[in-house]
Amino acid sequence: EDQVTQSPEALRLQEGESSSLNCSYTVSGLRGLFWYRQDPGKGPEFLFTLYSAGEEKEKERLKATLTKKESFLHITAPKPEDSATYLCAVQGDTGRRALTFGSGTRLQVQP
Amino acid sequence: GAVVSQHPSRVICKSGTSVKIECRSLDFQATTMFWYRQFPKQSLMLMATSNEGSKATYEQGVEKDKFLINHASLTLSTLTVTSAHPEDSSFYICSAQDSSGQETQYFGPGTRLLVL
Repeated sequence: EDQVTQSPEALRLQEGESSSLNCSYTVSGLRGLFWYRQDPGKGPEFLFTLYSAGEEKEKERLKATLTKKESFLHITAPKPEDSATYLCAVQGDTGRRALTFGSGTRLQVQP
Repeated sequence: GAVVSQHPSRVICKSGTSVKIECRSLDFQATTMFWYRQFPKQSLMLMATSNEGSKATYEQGVEKDKFLINHASLTLSTLTVTSAHPEDSSFYICSAQDSSGQETQYFGPGTRLLVL
């Protein structure tokens, strides 16, 4: 059974204070690891897909990296508008196309 | 690109009535759509996987007779909550997977259901 664990559960940063969010996973053959951002009362917004260890992707202040056991979402010089819940999910190669989600990290960036 | 819409965004209904929620992929075709439920401050719980032209696959513990799913076309899936009760009040979110082979799922904005 695929499992995803995210840490920390909540994170409070000052504007400009860089940090990283962790996503540890176990999966029988990784087809993809996904990062989403979710604002309160809205659906998740797609950020990145990573397919293999060593892969990195960047978008503005966000950078996602992947190893064989975990993924990190690095936030460089965050701004208050980066405040949201960040969700990590995996898809294994069992033929099941649904994603397995972690519980998310609630990020608050204070001005 | 990759936009998914849901309608309605919010619905309030009386206990015992049925509510239909639509999920549409606006700029791509989706062979597979997924329905999730989310409680406050919790992550997404998969309810069912909807495949175009075939029966939905429900997760363990989800009543298929209560949550009717229809995926009649490559751009539309519907979830009907039948005989809704207050405990069905929740945030329902759909996602769609591009038929081109990409694994990424794109999510709709969600539907807030309140059953009185």
